[in-house]
Amino acid sequence: EVQLSESGGGVVPTGESLKLSCAGSGFSFGSYAMSWVRRGPRRGLEWVSGISASGGRTYYSESVKGRFRIFRDNSKKTVDLQMNSLTAEDTAIYYCAKVPGSSLAVAEFDSWGQGTQVTVSS
Amino acid sequence: SYVLTQPPSVSVAPGQTATIPCGGDTLETTSVHWFQQKPGQAPVMVIYDDSDRPSGIPGRFSGSKSGNTATLTLGRVEAEDEADYFCQVWDSVSEVVVFGGGTKLTVL
Repeated sequence: EVQLSESGGGVVPTGESLKLSCAGSGFSFGSYAMSWVRRGPRRGLEWVSGISASGGRTYYSESVKGRFRIFRDNSKKTVDLQMNSLTAEDTAIYYCAKVPGSSLAVAEFDSWGQGTQVTVSS
Repeated sequence: SYVLTQPPSVSVAPGQTATIPCGGDTLETTSVHWFQQKPGQAPVMVIYDDSDRPSGIPGRFSGSKSGNTATLTLGRVEAEDEADYFCQVWDSVSEVVVFGGGTKLTVL
């Protein structure tokens, strides 16, 4: 059974940094692209970032480009999201999601973690 | 940037059929996926590649596409179907994932 488990969320002051981590199990982690998706209060789902199976391609939404960085360690079966210069707009539940293929392009998200709460306070 | 348009809300009586549209330019040339999210829970994929249903998703859920509008249809709606529903595509020009704004399905 595919399992994704996020960690690293918390309360952080505006302008500070936070690193989220997602651990995968129950599947061949290094064969699949991964993504981070968030849902803020009173908002819809918002895609944040994605990474190919090998880690060679990374993708970012305009709202986080230049502030967030995604990376993965296939030997540890983890995908992390380093978040810098956080603002109140980044307050959300952050979900880790698996893609049923090695590339993010076109594909859907077939498995999701339970999410980790990030709150940016002023 | 690419925009997917969904109605904010749809209401339906139990046992009836609910349809949730998702509109966007060039939808006819890209795959559309649908997700259900209930309060306090992670999203669940209910339809992928326009009309395919993952294992474990009831047959009451179906997807279709005509021109630049994709539609999620829920037949014989039950109280447990009350949730937010989101469509999603890959924008190949900008190389980003795009979600629709979401539709809150209320079962009367």
